[in-house]
This record gives sequence, C-alpha cells and structure tokens, in this order.
Amino acid sequence: DAGITQSPRHKVTETGTPVTLRCHQTENHRYMYWYRQDPGHGLRLIHYSYGVKDTDKGEVSDGYSVSRSKTEDFLLTLESATSSQTSVYFCAINGGLQETQYFGPGTRLLVL
Amino acid sequence: AQSVAQPEDQVNVAEGNPLTVKCTYSVSGNPYLFWYVQYPNRGLQFLLKYITGDNLVKGSYGFEAEFNKSQTSFHLKKPSALVSDSALYFCAVREGAGANNLFFGTGTRLTVIP
Repeated sequence: DAGITQSPRHKVTETGTPVTLRCHQTENHRYMYWYRQDPGHGLRLIHYSYGVKDTDKGEVSDGYSVSRSKTEDFLLTLESATSSQTSVYFCAINGGLQETQYFGPGTRLLVL
Repeated sequence: AQSVAQPEDQVNVAEGNPLTVKCTYSVSGNPYLFWYVQYPNRGLQFLLKYITGDNLVKGSYGFEAEFNKSQTSFHLKKPSALVSDSALYFCAVREGAGANNLFFGTGTRLTVIP
C-alpha cells in the first residue's frame, strides 16, 4: 500500500459525535488526499493537501475539515457525524501532479 | 467539467477468455487516464496509466488499455482472464498536468467464472 497507513481501520460512532481519521505516509510525498467511497458513486474527493498547512476543498467537502501540520500526517475530521457520512474513507498520496496517486487501505466508518 | 463513465456495473467472463472493461471520459484539456483495481476489503491498487505517447498502455498483471481520442475511451483489456482477476475496477481521469483532482467512474465488478 505504498507506505500509507490509516487509523482506525474500523469505527462505529453515534450521530453528533466528532470523529477524526488519520492518514500517515512514509514516502515524504507533497500531495495527500481524502476520498470517500459509496456504492454507485465510485470515489469522490473530500479534501486535499498540497503541502504542510496547505489544503483545499474537493467535490464533497461539506461537513468535513482537514489539517496537515506535518508532511507525513493528514487528518480528516467530521465535526458532528451524520448517518450520511457512513462510508469507506481512503487516503491517497502522490509526489507530483503528473504522478500516480497511491491509496491507503481505507477506514470503514459507521455512524448510527 | 471532467467526468468518467463506466457503462457496465457488472461484467462476467469465462476463465481463459479475453476480457474488456469499458471506460469513456470527458475533459476539456488533455486527459491523464488511470485504471485501478480493488479487491474485497482492500484499498485501490494502481494498474496502469496513459499520459502521452503510445495509445496502447501495458500495466500490471497482464492488463493493458487502449487510449482512443476520437471515441474518448480508455478500455481495459486482458487476453486471457484468470479467476483471480475477479474484483472491482475503477477508471479515473485527471485533466492535464496542472490539475490535482482525480475523477473516478462508478466502478465495474468483474467476475471470472471457472
């Protein structure tokens, strides 16, 4: 999985609670991404980062925030989880815009 | 705006037969095209990509894909399917070198029948 880990791998939480997912890379890549995967939608970009403290919104960013204080870590936070955020979340990295994105193993989140 | 279409949700093929998984795209600039495969409870694994050059791209596990600019297609192919090829396949497009986002199709589930 190209030196990418995600934690936790599985989480069950209740509506209204905050949730933070972590992506850690050992490749020293500049770009990091958070996607969610849902049946019938493929993968959709939530947020991405192009450097430490440099982030931007993706296609489905509402209800999510991110932070990147170190090159190796990219955090995704659900401020107040909703059932519509039940999904599988994938982190991805790439070293440059012309390069391939490589994906982590995913985090399966269930919001009850 | 970029988009990717994978017109078949499910493709079934007999082991040993050739397989094709279809993908068409829409971008306003030069496309960067990718194929990924996902096995159950795993992340996406990169198979191959087209950036420029030869329209026939060869990738991992014996897969190849043909870029067709006039038909805006990038179909994934393999001459002889294996049962172990059964998985979920995603096509993705990025609009040129300056673009950051990958846009994914909805995926095609390939089942290879022994």
